[in-house]
Amino acid sequence: KQEVTQIPAALSVPEGENLVLNCSFTDSAIYNLQWFRQDPGKGLTSLLLIQSSQREQTSGRLNASLDKSSGRSTLYIAASQPGDSATYLCAVFNSKLTFGKGITLSVRP
Amino acid sequence: GAVVSQHPSWVICKSGTSVKIECRSLDFQATTMFWYRQFPKQSLMLMATSNEGSKATYEQGVEKDKFLINHASLTLSTLTVTSAHPEDSSFYICSVPTATSLEGNQPQHFGDGTRLSIL
Repeated sequence: KQEVTQIPAALSVPEGENLVLNCSFTDSAIYNLQWFRQDPGKGLTSLLLIQSSQREQTSGRLNASLDKSSGRSTLYIAASQPGDSATYLCAVFNSKLTFGKGITLSVRP
Repeated sequence: GAVVSQHPSWVICKSGTSVKIECRSLDFQATTMFWYRQFPKQSLMLMATSNEGSKATYEQGVEKDKFLINHASLTLSTLTVTSAHPEDSSFYICSVPTATSLEGNQPQHFGDGTRLSIL
């Protein structure tokens, strides 16, 4: 059974800091890994999708990496801003999505 | 604009009430839709896969008689929580995959979710 872990559960950083969010998964037989953003009481916004054959994807200040063999992914956020405050979810896809519990990020002005 | 419309966004009702949640695909036809549930500080957990024209497929531990799913058309799936009790209070969210999403090449489109509170 696939399990996705995100540690820590919460993170608080000052504005402008570069930060890394970690995700690990137990079964490397995946089609892709996805990072989502969830604002309080809202749905999910897709940030990045890394296919199993890829190593990383970039979008603006976000960069996600994937090491499938070790079951790890990182989401790098450059020059963090208060507007980045949200919960970041990692999920792996193999016929269905399995999510981690998320990391709640707070960026202090 | 939104690709998926989920309604209602918030429901508060008494124990024993049945609650229907709608998920509409606005931009494309979807033979498959997914329903998830998220308890506070927990992961989104897949409850069931809604299939147009056939029965839904439920994940282990999800009561199919409790959570009725109807995929009435290629753009609409409904989840009915029958005789809801306080333990059913949760955040319910649907997603609509494209064909390429199911192949793993694109993300799915998620609704904004429904927060259900049973008193």
